[in-house]
Amino acid sequence: NAGVTQTPKFRVLKTGQSMTLLCAQDMNHEYMYWYRQDPGMGLRLIHYSVGEGTTAKGEVPDGYNVSRLKKQNFLLGLESAAPSQTSVYFCASSYPKGRAFFGQGTRLTVV
Amino acid sequence: AQSVTQPDIHITVSEGASLELRCNYSYGATPYLFWYVQSPGQGLQLLLKYFSGDTLVQGIKGFEAEFKRSQSSFNLRKPSVHWSDAAEYFCAVGTNTGKLIFGQGTTLQVKP
Repeated sequence: NAGVTQTPKFRVLKTGQSMTLLCAQDMNHEYMYWYRQDPGMGLRLIHYSVGEGTTAKGEVPDGYNVSRLKKQNFLLGLESAAPSQTSVYFCASSYPKGRAFFGQGTRLTVV
Repeated sequence: AQSVTQPDIHITVSEGASLELRCNYSYGATPYLFWYVQSPGQGLQLLLKYFSGDTLVQGIKGFEAEFKRSQSSFNLRKPSVHWSDAAEYFCAVGTNTGKLIFGQGTTLQVKP
């Protein structure tokens, strides 16, 4: 049972490049989330999904897009990376009103 | 909009002393509430959660939290802190629409 798996774990991008972060969960959870963690800012919700085919904006959605084509996967895309998007990204999943299970994080640096 | 505030960015306590970490939330309906802990370089571990019922909830590692609706608070407590409790603590509020919002976090330092 792998839980929540994020790919990749580390990445360095140049400004303007694009990339996709993959989150996969094997717990059949309905809800999935993408957060970014920056020093002193806690975890800020980027986008979330309450079911396959649905997505919604969180607190800091600008510059990011997401897709949930399959229940077990939640993709986070950066179309044109900016240095301000340098951060640690966490994916999480849960049942409705359940505890969230987190991935180990992706450390992204945009230069 | 929903929000979570942890007023204390950094707290230092002596080992063996009691601990209280504050959490205030803003949400129009009854929230469901969590406390998570994150050790350096690690993911987040659930300490405890509140959905309904008894407003005093017990968690792992000797932690407890009390939900006070009138104060919109969900403070975390521990009677005697251990050096291994040094970490960052996050309060989170979940809504009926599926949002899960975290506070800014409180860093706990434990003095020997």
